[in-house]
Amino acid sequence: QSALTQPASVSGSPGQSITISCTGTSTDVGSHNLVSWYQQYPGKAPKLMIYEVSKRPSGVSDRFSGSKSGNTASLTISGLQAEDEADYYCCSYARSNTLYVFGTGTKVTVL
Amino acid sequence: EVQLVESGGGLVQPGGSLRLSCAASGFTFSTYNMNWVRQAPGKGLEWVSFISSVISTVYYADSVKGRFTISRDNAKNSLYLQMNNLRDEDTAVYYCAREDNVWLDPWGQGTLVTVSS
Repeated sequence: QSALTQPASVSGSPGQSITISCTGTSTDVGSHNLVSWYQQYPGKAPKLMIYEVSKRPSGVSDRFSGSKSGNTASLTISGLQAEDEADYYCCSYARSNTLYVFGTGTKVTVL
Repeated sequence: EVQLVESGGGLVQPGGSLRLSCAASGFTFSTYNMNWVRQAPGKGLEWVSFISSVISTVYYADSVKGRFTISRDNAKNSLYLQMNNLRDEDTAVYYCAREDNVWLDPWGQGTLVTVSS
């Protein structure tokens, strides 16, 4: 099971919207709605931001939204803020012996 | 407050062994599946292992199969990862994470394992 493909970096100015893509295959991302997204600051543990493609856990800002089309899931951050500068990882439940497949990770920079 | 606290990391020589622990609190540990995920320095996240809540069904990444063993003690609210025959490429921060349906939340703060001679 190969890692899901994400852009290495995405940047935007404060207030702008950015979108991070996460491309898998028909056997993982494309086969169900079990995609989640995690935010990670340097030296810190990952934090769940989105689950089941587009659902937000309690306490996560509504500036974060998720979607999926075919084998590609996306995370959109609207109204970009300095505090959004972090690494973001997508993750797909794989329904195989490799239960979870993570994306390659995307570094978000706020200009 | 739901909390996961890992311990047991450290420096070990190639071929050596180490046992990681994850102490859970703030939730009914015995009703949740648990996972270990690792992150090599400067790299991305890699799922390592899964254990179910009660009957202890386990799964492993191919990279650790046959060398790592996941276990749990529901009476002690604890998760473990026994790591044998460690290799340089096992150097990473190891996180335990609670499985909530099919997503991971929350994660512990991680414990660093360094395999080096």
